[in-house]
This record gives sequence, C-alpha cells and structure tokens, in this order.
Amino acid sequence: AQTVTQSQPEMSVQEAETVTLSCTYDTSESDYYLFWYKQPPSRQMILVIRQEAYKQQNATENRFSVNFQKAAKSFSLKISDSQLGDAAMYFCAYRLTGNQFYFGTGTSLTVIP
Amino acid sequence: ETGVTQSPTHLIKTRGQQVTLRCSSQSGHNTVSWYQQALGQGPQFIFQYYREEENGRGNFPPRFSGLQFPNYSSELNVNALELDDSALYLCASSLGPQGANIQYFGAGTRLSVL
Repeated sequence: AQTVTQSQPEMSVQEAETVTLSCTYDTSESDYYLFWYKQPPSRQMILVIRQEAYKQQNATENRFSVNFQKAAKSFSLKISDSQLGDAAMYFCAYRLTGNQFYFGTGTSLTVIP
Repeated sequence: ETGVTQSPTHLIKTRGQQVTLRCSSQSGHNTVSWYQQALGQGPQFIFQYYREEENGRGNFPPRFSGLQFPNYSSELNVNALELDDSALYLCASSLGPQGANIQYFGAGTRLSVL
C-alpha cells in the first residue's frame, strides 16, 4: 500500500527561528516525486517545494529546504527564518510516474510572534 | 493565485441528492485531477481527466463521476449523496498527466450533506 505518514499533527515555532516538519512514506517504486504543499485558511493548496527521487541533491527554495533520505523513505521540510505568513497546514505528498498523488494527514504549523 | 477556479465555494445538500461541482483549469493545462479532503485529513485522489478521458481513478464508488470539456474545464458529479460525502473537494490542473508535472490547486468547494 502507498502511504504517507506525518507524525507531528501540530508544531509551533518562534518567529525568525527554524522548524523541521517530518514525513515518511512507503512505496516499492523507485521512480517518484515528493512534494510539500501548504494549505492556509484560504484552503488553496500551494506548492512549497518539490524533489525528484532520482536526484540525490536536496531541493531548496529560498527559506525552505528538504532532507531527502531515499533509503529511509524520509522527506522532511526545514523552514528557516520563520515568518508569520508561514502559519498553515503543511502536507507531504508523493506521486508515482503516473497520475495519483498520495498525501499525508498534515502538520499544523503555528508561528509565534 | 494559481488560475484554477472552482464553483461554487460552498454547497449544502441533503442525503440522496445529486451534486455537480465545477473546475476551470489554468490556461494551457490539459489535465485535471479531483480530490476529496475530509475534515482533518489529507486530500484523497478521486480521479484524473486528461484530454477529455478518464486517466486513473482512486478508491471511490461509481456514483462519483466526472467530465472534461474541450476547453479542459471539468465537472465532478456525485449521485445519491451520503453524509460521509461532506468534505472539501479540490481540483488541480497540470500541463500533463505525468508525475513530473506540478499540480496547481483551486480553493475548493465545501460540500455539506445533511
């Protein structure tokens, strides 16, 4: 079965500090794509960062970076210099070479001023 | 803003009724995927449409059906509504069905079944 596990239902971080959200997944495939999406109260899912499984180098996007451990099937998201606008629900997801996305249950991030 | 629009934003129906949700894809995108997001859960894949044909389906019963039109907009139809169908329904469009393509999501339709 294809599953994504986010073991932290809620996290909080002080403004300007760094926080790491964890994600593990289970697939027998070797070719897939990993994503972190952010869902603010407006409900629209916004892509934060993407990682191709065949790339060893960890993806970075400004203040957002990932720690991708393929053998461990782990894909954590690090947010540096946290801002109030980062407060949202964060979903980890992966997608095989076909069409179906598999999402985790999300981590609610609170940013404390 | 992603350019993906969904209508209506909210909808209230009673059990047994039928509902149609609509999605306009981002310009240039030929692929639309639909997801159901129950409260407190991550989105669950319903199905995907690529060039007006269904191109993959998740674990949802046949009373969930869809259409894609020549302009690549899409509809999700749900017949014989059940209380458990209450959820946020998200659509996402992409340049193609392949896994490498980024999906851009709309803001969703909140469906309440009473």
